[in-house]
Amino acid sequence: DQQVKQNSPSLSVQEGRISILNCDYTNSMFDYFLWYKKYPAEGPTFLISISSIKDKNEDGRFTVFLNKSAKHLSLHIVPSQPGDSAVYFCAAFGGNKLVFGAGTILRVKS
Amino acid sequence: KAGVTQTPRYLIKTRGQQVTLSCSPISGHRSVSWYQQTPGQGLQFLFEYFSETQRNKGNFPGRFSGRQFSNSRSEMNVSTLELGDSALYLCASSQDRDQPQHFGDGTRLSIL
Repeated sequence: DQQVKQNSPSLSVQEGRISILNCDYTNSMFDYFLWYKKYPAEGPTFLISISSIKDKNEDGRFTVFLNKSAKHLSLHIVPSQPGDSAVYFCAAFGGNKLVFGAGTILRVKS
Repeated sequence: KAGVTQTPRYLIKTRGQQVTLSCSPISGHRSVSWYQQTPGQGLQFLFEYFSETQRNKGNFPGRFSGRQFSNSRSEMNVSTLELGDSALYLCASSQDRDQPQHFGDGTRLSIL
């Protein structure tokens, strides 16, 4: 039972353009959402989070949007840079559990 | 501030053996969680410890166990290893479960 789904296994974007990574969830108890970035041979690194009382949170080039009615969140990276190439995991917290999606591989081409 | 430290980084074992992985959390972090990462499966939650008590457990067999010491350091043990246990095992620490988790670089376990 995948409560957090990242339906796109990979995404390829040109440098300077916008990257949009999507995540859907099924559990209405989730009230806090996070994005992590992971490079090969390293552990995931926390990027940005959003509480369910908000619909947008911005941090530099990274913006997370939350649509509670659709149970959908997205991460926007503008402008995309080659160093952003990594695996991105979304995670949802609720019911005392943190649940991760399967990840999306982002490739930013220069 | 030192990050989360996991040892060893790489480990090769054979079927039927057992293994113990170690995690030292960030100083001041009392919550330690363990995850298994396999290709295409994302991060599968194993268990979470807080103040030496297991607070949460994922859907893994009893061969997977853990513990936390008074200094918040944690160990994970897997007994009777199977080929399917080959994975990257990640440890994460946080001040509490509703705070962002900080991950170590993982232990890559290979079962021959």
